Amino acid sequence: AQTVTQSQPEMSVQEAETVTLSCTYDTSESDYYLFWYKQPPSRQMILVIRQEAYKQQNATENRFSVNFQKAAKSFSLKISDSQLGDAAMYFCAYRRGGARGGSEKLVFGKGTKLTVNP
Amino acid sequence: KAGVTQTPRYLIKTRGQQVTLSCSPISGHRSVSWYQQTPGQGLQFLFEYFSETQRNKGNFPGRFSGRQFSNSRSEMNVSTLELGDSALYLCASSPGVYGNTIYFGEGSWLTVV
Repeated sequence: AQTVTQSQPEMSVQEAETVTLSCTYDTSESDYYLFWYKQPPSRQMILVIRQEAYKQQNATENRFSVNFQKAAKSFSLKISDSQLGDAAMYFCAYRRGGARGGSEKLVFGKGTKLTVNP
Repeated sequence: KAGVTQTPRYLIKTRGQQVTLSCSPISGHRSVSWYQQTPGQGLQFLFEYFSETQRNKGNFPGRFSGRQFSNSRSEMNVSTLELGDSALYLCASSPGVYGNTIYFGEGSWLTVV
Protein backbone atom coordinates (compact mmCIF):
# COMPACT_ATOMS: atom_id res chain seq x y z
CA ALA A 1 0.00 0.00 0.00
CA GLN A 2 1.13 3.51 -0.69
CA THR A 3 2.06 5.75 2.22
CA VAL A 4 2.78 9.44 2.52
CA THR A 5 4.87 10.88 5.33
CA GLN A 6 5.14 14.49 6.41
CA SER A 7 7.79 14.67 9.11
CA GLN A 8 7.16 18.27 10.17
CA PRO A 9 3.95 18.62 12.21
CA GLU A 10 4.48 22.39 12.48
CA MET A 11 6.55 25.01 10.72
CA SER A 12 6.79 28.75 11.02
CA VAL A 13 8.11 31.44 8.70
CA GLN A 14 8.46 35.20 8.73
CA GLU A 15 6.37 37.14 6.28
CA ALA A 16 8.22 37.60 2.95
CA GLU A 17 10.64 34.79 3.74
CA THR A 18 10.88 31.34 2.13
CA VAL A 19 9.86 28.06 3.72
CA THR A 20 10.11 24.44 2.58
CA LEU A 21 7.72 21.72 3.65
CA SER A 22 8.88 18.12 3.39
CA CYS A 23 7.06 15.06 2.10
CA THR A 24 8.21 11.53 1.37
CA TYR A 25 6.16 8.72 -0.05
CA ASP A 26 6.41 5.03 -0.63
CA THR A 27 5.13 3.26 -3.72
CA SER A 28 6.17 0.48 -6.03
CA GLU A 29 4.40 2.06 -8.99
CA SER A 30 6.01 4.16 -11.69
CA ASP A 31 2.94 6.10 -12.81
CA TYR A 32 1.43 8.39 -10.22
CA TYR A 33 0.60 11.96 -9.27
CA LEU A 34 1.64 13.99 -6.27
CA PHE A 35 -0.21 16.97 -4.87
CA TRP A 36 0.05 19.63 -2.23
CA TYR A 37 -3.26 20.77 -0.79
CA LYS A 38 -3.78 23.73 1.53
CA GLN A 39 -6.47 23.64 4.22
CA PRO A 40 -7.14 27.03 5.82
CA PRO A 41 -9.31 27.43 8.94
CA SER A 42 -12.40 27.25 6.70
CA ARG A 43 -11.38 23.60 6.20
CA GLN A 44 -11.87 23.57 2.43
CA MET A 45 -9.04 21.70 0.74
CA ILE A 46 -7.47 23.86 -1.94
CA LEU A 47 -5.10 22.46 -4.53
CA VAL A 48 -1.78 24.27 -4.43
CA ILE A 49 0.27 22.35 -6.95
CA ARG A 50 0.46 18.99 -8.69
CA GLN A 51 3.28 16.95 -10.19
CA GLU A 52 3.08 14.09 -12.66
CA ALA A 53 5.68 11.43 -11.88
CA TYR A 54 6.66 11.03 -15.52
CA LYS A 55 7.64 14.70 -15.77
CA GLN A 56 11.20 15.46 -14.76
CA GLN A 57 10.59 19.20 -14.59
CA ASN A 58 9.51 20.46 -11.20
CA ALA A 59 6.06 22.05 -11.12
CA THR A 60 5.72 25.75 -10.34
CA GLU A 61 2.67 27.87 -9.55
CA ASN A 62 3.51 31.50 -8.86
CA ARG A 63 5.18 31.58 -5.41
CA PHE A 64 4.84 27.82 -4.96
CA SER A 65 7.27 25.31 -6.38
CA VAL A 66 8.19 21.72 -5.71
CA ASN A 67 11.40 19.74 -5.57
CA PHE A 68 10.47 16.33 -6.92
CA GLN A 69 13.13 13.68 -6.40
CA LYS A 70 11.65 10.51 -7.86
CA ALA A 71 14.47 8.15 -6.94
CA ALA A 72 14.45 9.38 -3.36
CA LYS A 73 10.63 9.44 -3.31
CA SER A 74 10.69 12.96 -2.01
CA PHE A 75 8.30 15.79 -2.86
CA SER A 76 8.93 19.04 -0.99
CA LEU A 77 6.99 22.28 -1.33
CA LYS A 78 8.76 25.64 -1.36
CA ILE A 79 6.77 28.77 -0.63
CA SER A 80 8.56 31.97 -1.59
CA ASP A 81 7.73 35.46 -0.34
CA SER A 82 5.42 34.02 2.32
CA GLN A 83 2.22 35.91 2.98
CA LEU A 84 -0.10 35.94 5.98
CA GLY A 85 -2.73 34.22 3.85
CA ASP A 86 -0.43 31.24 3.40
CA ALA A 87 -1.01 30.23 7.02
CA ALA A 88 -2.83 26.90 6.92
CA MET A 89 -2.45 23.14 7.15
CA TYR A 90 -0.62 21.73 4.16
CA PHE A 91 -1.19 18.18 3.06
CA CYS A 92 0.89 16.14 0.69
CA ALA A 93 -1.11 13.58 -1.28
CA TYR A 94 -0.46 10.68 -3.64
CA ARG A 95 -2.64 9.28 -6.38
CA ARG A 96 -2.05 6.34 -8.61
CA GLY A 97 -1.83 6.89 -12.31
CA GLY A 98 -3.18 4.33 -14.69
CA ALA A 99 -5.74 3.73 -17.34
CA ARG A 100 -8.67 5.96 -18.06
CA GLY A 101 -11.40 5.39 -15.53
CA GLY A 102 -9.14 4.13 -12.78
CA SER A 103 -9.59 5.04 -9.14
CA GLU A 104 -8.78 8.57 -8.10
CA LYS A 105 -8.27 7.73 -4.45
CA LEU A 106 -5.92 10.15 -2.71
CA VAL A 107 -3.57 9.01 0.05
CA PHE A 108 -2.74 11.90 2.37
CA GLY A 109 0.06 12.64 4.77
CA LYS A 110 -0.72 13.82 8.31
CA GLY A 111 -0.18 17.45 7.39
CA THR A 112 2.09 20.33 8.37
CA LYS A 113 0.69 23.36 10.14
CA LEU A 114 2.29 26.48 8.72
CA THR A 115 2.32 29.67 10.75
CA VAL A 116 3.30 32.94 9.08
CA ASN A 117 4.61 35.60 11.46
CA PRO A 118 4.19 39.28 10.57
CA LYS B 1 -19.12 27.72 -12.25
CA ALA B 2 -20.32 26.50 -8.85
CA GLY B 3 -17.93 24.45 -6.75
CA VAL B 4 -18.52 21.26 -4.83
CA THR B 5 -21.48 21.77 -2.51
CA GLN B 6 -21.96 19.78 0.67
CA THR B 7 -25.01 19.81 2.89
CA PRO B 8 -25.58 20.11 5.73
CA ARG B 9 -22.49 22.00 6.83
CA TYR B 10 -22.94 21.29 10.52
CA LEU B 11 -25.00 18.76 12.39
CA ILE B 12 -25.24 17.16 15.79
CA LYS B 13 -26.53 13.64 16.22
CA THR B 14 -27.02 11.27 19.13
CA ARG B 15 -25.30 7.90 19.44
CA GLY B 16 -27.30 5.20 17.72
CA GLN B 17 -28.92 7.54 15.22
CA GLN B 18 -28.16 7.60 11.53
CA VAL B 19 -27.10 10.47 9.31
CA THR B 20 -27.14 11.24 5.61
CA LEU B 21 -24.74 13.72 4.05
CA SER B 22 -25.13 15.10 0.56
CA CYS B 23 -22.65 16.22 -2.05
CA SER B 24 -23.30 17.99 -5.34
CA PRO B 25 -20.23 17.86 -7.58
CA ILE B 26 -19.09 20.50 -10.01
CA SER B 27 -21.29 20.51 -13.08
CA GLY B 28 -20.05 17.96 -15.59
CA HIS B 29 -18.03 16.00 -13.05
CA ARG B 30 -18.84 12.30 -12.89
CA SER B 31 -16.54 11.16 -10.09
CA VAL B 32 -17.29 11.77 -6.40
CA SER B 33 -15.13 10.67 -3.48
CA TRP B 34 -15.66 10.92 0.25
CA TYR B 35 -13.05 11.37 2.99
CA GLN B 36 -13.25 11.42 6.77
CA GLN B 37 -10.97 13.82 8.62
CA THR B 38 -10.28 13.48 12.34
CA PRO B 39 -7.48 14.86 14.52
CA GLY B 40 -6.27 11.37 15.37
CA GLN B 41 -6.50 9.54 12.05
CA GLY B 42 -6.09 12.43 9.65
CA LEU B 43 -7.68 12.16 6.22
CA GLN B 44 -9.00 8.73 5.38
CA PHE B 45 -10.61 7.62 2.15
CA LEU B 46 -14.17 6.33 2.50
CA PHE B 47 -15.38 5.54 -1.00
CA GLU B 48 -15.48 6.71 -4.58
CA TYR B 49 -18.23 6.68 -7.17
CA PHE B 50 -18.09 7.09 -10.91
CA SER B 51 -21.20 7.12 -13.07
CA GLU B 52 -23.31 5.65 -10.26
CA THR B 53 -20.90 2.76 -9.63
CA GLN B 54 -18.71 2.38 -6.58
CA ARG B 55 -15.20 2.30 -7.95
CA ASN B 56 -13.25 1.95 -4.72
CA LYS B 57 -13.91 1.60 -1.00
CA GLY B 58 -11.80 2.37 2.04
CA ASN B 59 -11.38 0.35 5.20
CA PHE B 60 -14.49 1.41 7.09
CA PRO B 61 -17.20 -0.72 8.69
CA GLY B 62 -20.41 -1.52 6.86
CA ARG B 63 -22.21 1.20 8.83
CA PHE B 64 -20.74 3.59 6.28
CA SER B 65 -22.41 3.46 2.90
CA GLY B 66 -22.88 5.69 -0.07
CA ARG B 67 -24.49 6.03 -3.43
CA GLN B 68 -24.41 8.20 -6.50
CA PHE B 69 -27.38 9.31 -8.52
CA SER B 70 -27.73 9.71 -12.28
CA ASN B 71 -27.08 13.45 -11.97
CA SER B 72 -23.76 12.63 -10.22
CA ARG B 73 -24.94 13.92 -6.85
CA SER B 74 -23.83 11.64 -4.07
CA GLU B 75 -24.96 10.81 -0.57
CA MET B 76 -23.21 8.99 2.21
CA ASN B 77 -24.98 7.41 5.13
CA VAL B 78 -23.70 6.40 8.53
CA SER B 79 -25.96 4.18 10.59
CA THR B 80 -25.83 3.45 14.32
CA LEU B 81 -23.63 6.42 15.00
CA GLU B 82 -20.76 6.12 17.45
CA LEU B 83 -18.87 8.88 19.25
CA GLY B 84 -15.84 8.10 17.10
CA ASP B 85 -17.76 9.03 13.97
CA SER B 86 -17.48 12.68 14.94
CA ALA B 87 -15.45 14.18 12.13
CA LEU B 88 -15.30 16.46 9.16
CA TYR B 89 -16.58 14.64 6.09
CA LEU B 90 -15.15 15.96 2.86
CA CYS B 91 -16.52 15.35 -0.59
CA ALA B 92 -14.38 15.68 -3.70
CA SER B 93 -15.31 15.70 -7.36
CA SER B 94 -13.52 15.42 -10.67
CA PRO B 95 -14.43 14.76 -14.27
CA GLY B 96 -13.32 11.19 -13.66
CA VAL B 97 -10.97 11.12 -16.60
CA TYR B 98 -7.38 10.05 -16.14
CA GLY B 99 -5.22 12.77 -14.73
CA ASN B 100 -7.85 15.36 -13.92
CA THR B 101 -7.64 17.59 -10.88
CA ILE B 102 -9.77 16.74 -7.87
CA TYR B 103 -11.73 19.53 -6.18
CA PHE B 104 -13.04 19.50 -2.62
CA GLY B 105 -16.11 20.88 -0.95
CA GLU B 106 -16.11 22.72 2.37
CA GLY B 107 -17.12 19.63 4.28
CA SER B 108 -19.85 18.55 6.66
CA TRP B 109 -19.04 18.74 10.34
CA LEU B 110 -20.66 15.86 12.23
CA THR B 111 -20.70 15.79 16.00
CA VAL B 112 -22.02 12.69 17.73
CA VAL B 113 -23.04 13.12 21.37
